[in-house]
Amino acid sequence: AQSVAQPEDQVNVAEGNPLTVKCTYSVSGNPYLFWYVQYPNRGLQFLLKYITGDNLVKGSYGFEAEFNKSQTSFHLKKPSALVSDSALYFCAVRDRDTGFQKLVFGTGTRLLVSP
Amino acid sequence: DVKVTQSSRYLVKRTGEKVFLECVQDMDHENMFWYRQDPGLGLRLIYFSYDVKMKEKGDIPEGYSVSREKKERFSLILESASTNQTSMYLCASSLTGTVYNEQFFGPGTRLTVL
Repeated sequence: AQSVAQPEDQVNVAEGNPLTVKCTYSVSGNPYLFWYVQYPNRGLQFLLKYITGDNLVKGSYGFEAEFNKSQTSFHLKKPSALVSDSALYFCAVRDRDTGFQKLVFGTGTRLLVSP
Repeated sequence: DVKVTQSSRYLVKRTGEKVFLECVQDMDHENMFWYRQDPGLGLRLIYFSYDVKMKEKGDIPEGYSVSREKKERFSLILESASTNQTSMYLCASSLTGTVYNEQFFGPGTRLTVL
C-alpha cells in the first residue's frame, strides 16, 4: 500500500529564513507526489506535484520541492519564509493500487512563521 | 477560475439525525471525493465517484453513503449521525486524463453532532 509520512507535527521558522517541511513516501513503482496547503478555515489548495522529470519542482507562492528517489523523500522548501506562509501543509501520494484517482495524504505539518 | 462549493460551512446536528452534505463543482470533472479531516489523522477518504451513478468505498465508509445523480454534484449522507462523526468534511474533484491531475478542494463543512 502507498503511504506518506510527515515526521514533524510543527515547524517553526523566522520570517526571511529558509524553510523545509519534510515528507517521505513508500510506494510500489514510480511515485506521483503532491503538496497541498490549508489556510485557517479553508479547504486545501494545490501547491505543486512531481510526476516525472526534473527532481526540483517549482510551484505556487514561491514554494518548491525536491524529489529524492534514493532517500524516498519529497521535501517542501522555500528560500525566504513569510508570515503569511503560516498554515497546515499536507504531502500526498497517488494510490496506484486501485487504478483510480485516489490520493493518500500524510497527517500534516503546521508551519509557524514568526515576524 | 475553478470552483468547488459545499452547501454549508458550519452545521450542528443531533445524534440520530439524517445529515446531507452537498458538493458542487463547475469544472466538468469526472472524479469527486469526500474526505474527513481530523487533527493528527490528516485526510481520510470516505467515498469517491469516477462517473455519474458510480461510487467506490474509500478507507472509512462505515456510517456514510453517497449519491451522484449529476456529474457536477456529489452528496454525502450520514444515515444516523453519531458524535464520533463530528469532524471537518472536505469535498474535492479532479479530471481524468493521461496525466495524473491534482484534486481541487471545497472550503469544507465543519459538522458538530451533539
